Amino acid sequence: GIQVEQSPPDLILQEGANSTLRCNFSDSVNNLQWFHQNPWGQLINLFYIPSGTKQNGRLSATTVATERYSLLYISSSQTTDSGVYFCAVEDTGGFKTIFGAGTRLFVKA
Amino acid sequence: EAQVTQNPRYLITVTGKKLTVTCSQNMNHEYMSWYRQDPGLGLRQIYYSMNVEVTDKGDVPEGYKVSRKEKRNFPLILESPSPNQTSLYFCASSPFGTGRSDYGYTFGSGTRLTVV
Repeated sequence: GIQVEQSPPDLILQEGANSTLRCNFSDSVNNLQWFHQNPWGQLINLFYIPSGTKQNGRLSATTVATERYSLLYISSSQTTDSGVYFCAVEDTGGFKTIFGAGTRLFVKA
Repeated sequence: EAQVTQNPRYLITVTGKKLTVTCSQNMNHEYMSWYRQDPGLGLRQIYYSMNVEVTDKGDVPEGYKVSRKEKRNFPLILESPSPNQTSLYFCASSPFGTGRSDYGYTFGSGTRLTVV
């Protein structure tokens, strides 16, 4: 099956810093999404981005499907950005969802 | 308010006692899915449904059943729970078609299940 790898596994930032999170996937996919799990466990959809670039405020994402990777950019980080960031893909054979292991982000005040 | 509602939020049960975790969405979404989240293993898909009466297995379906008799509801059934099903469970829904790229998945708040 498809393998999804995220890097780095852990990241500590000072408030105001920028960061880039990476998601590599091993095969062609139908779509790719980025999610944020906050410290209370809630999962929030950030981007649905099978290809191209999207921006939402301080966050943006780029997926290069032909090279099988996606990047999530966080600019001017805030303490509320802390949590775990997951990417997830759907395989082309159906609608199975495969998650990466996540990047755990801690933003210090 | 558009949302996915899971119940209960917390449940402690004993081995072998059948239980159902409910999931309901009010957005008229075609796609619904269940996941479990375990430390060190991340989120893994249990079952998903593409519409009423259409369900399929995810990566870890053993020990679980689902049904999709109505579009809004997608309950997860554990007929004979065992301690290895202790986990945090999430339900999610999504539209198909162009709506999907606008909204992606919407998750419920999660159900923390402990089987003793």
